[in-house]
Amino acid sequence: DTAVSQTPKYLVTQMGNDKSIKCEQNLGHDTMYWYKQDSKKFLKIMFSYNNKELIINETVPNRFSPKSPDKAHLNLHINSLELGDSAVYFCASNQRGGPGELFFGEGSRLTVL
Amino acid sequence: AQSVSQHNHHVILSEAASLELGCNYSYGGTVNLFWYVQYPGQHLQLLLKYFSGDPLVKGIKGFEAEFIKSKFSFNLRKPSVQWSDTAEYFCAVNALTGGGNKLTFGTGTQLKVEL
Repeated sequence: DTAVSQTPKYLVTQMGNDKSIKCEQNLGHDTMYWYKQDSKKFLKIMFSYNNKELIINETVPNRFSPKSPDKAHLNLHINSLELGDSAVYFCASNQRGGPGELFFGEGSRLTVL
Repeated sequence: AQSVSQHNHHVILSEAASLELGCNYSYGGTVNLFWYVQYPGQHLQLLLKYFSGDPLVKGIKGFEAEFIKSKFSFNLRKPSVQWSDTAEYFCAVNALTGGGNKLTFGTGTQLKVEL
């Protein structure tokens, strides 16, 4: 069983479209994250939710809207996609109050044409 | 806010060579430290971690790292690399501020091991 699973793994779309990426974890963690990895492999945190509550919201365009229906799921919706949104988006989870080790999903590669 | 520096951006080694990747962080308080590895086309996997105790920690696949508090460093080492170690390596720091976990990553080091 995959601990942190993301769908879709690959997404190719046109500029201006709206798309969503979904993430689910079965580790029993209470905190989930979205990270963006750009073409230079730089990893930057975007959002974090703890028990459905937004706790980290970095400087991200408001075209990006996360949603956490429960502590095991964290989705990312992106409106009006731009070329610069092309990246690999990683979902991760851990337990708040723990040592901080993150468990990552396999990533969703988004290509905006 | 904490930051993490990885000084080597690209490293090329021959098989059996020894490896040391530098990692320095800036935060004066208590930290937990991690090294993650990302093989080509794959997700990040934990290589090793330091929480407390012995500053020399051993991870998977023969990797180890040493926490030197006075130098704010957590360098990764392996005595003899293999071709299969070709990957991107990320150092990460979790500053224990009580405000929730926020892992800050370094910019990564791309390691290429040649046969």
